[in-house]
Amino acid sequence: DTGVSQNPRHKITKRGQNVTFRCDPISEHNRLYWYRQTLGQGPEFLTYFQNEAQLEKSRLLSDRFSAERPKGSFSTLEIQRTEQGDSAMYLCASSLVGGTETQYFGPGTRLLVL
Amino acid sequence: ILNVEQSPQSLHVQEGDSTNFTCSFPSSNFYALHWYRWETAKSPEALFVMTLNGDEKKKGRISATLNTKEGYSYLYIKGSQPEDSATYLCAFSLYNNNDMRFGAGTRLTVKP
Repeated sequence: DTGVSQNPRHKITKRGQNVTFRCDPISEHNRLYWYRQTLGQGPEFLTYFQNEAQLEKSRLLSDRFSAERPKGSFSTLEIQRTEQGDSAMYLCASSLVGGTETQYFGPGTRLLVL
Repeated sequence: ILNVEQSPQSLHVQEGDSTNFTCSFPSSNFYALHWYRWETAKSPEALFVMTLNGDEKKKGRISATLNTKEGYSYLYIKGSQPEDSATYLCAFSLYNNNDMRFGAGTRLTVKP
């Protein structure tokens, strides 16, 4: 399967713990995006990378959230000191600059903070 | 605030029925309109990207139209099948395709 993959698919954690999610984009894609989706809402943009550079972050993104893409391939999203309000589906997508720029999504990581 | 509105929120149809949903978006500074299909436990699947006023796209039994002047897009499904059951999301791009604003989706259930 050469699509976008995300791990883990599900994560249950206790409030105050740190969690880290991984996204592996389609191999030739140079842009990588993170979104968050809560119940009854559409995906909400968090941040995106072009190669290893983080080019944009949502103003809604708490400083407890950090994302990296150290070698311009996979990316990690870390949430420190999780809160119950962080419970959501975290989606990753990738796209190719100069192509159709369609964003291709992974299956998401569902986070539940108890 | 750039809101993308989708209606209806949910829809139940019988197999074989044709159906359509609406996506409304701000008509200023339009770049592109995207439709995705999201089946439970799977990845959202890109259906269409439309950029020009009057665009019509088709993929099998699914088609979409775009009116950028009035700020809406319609998605049509002809002869719905149970496998069409999914949430259909639209997303509006303002200046480039990095900046997609999603609607809340229309949840379609097709009963056999």
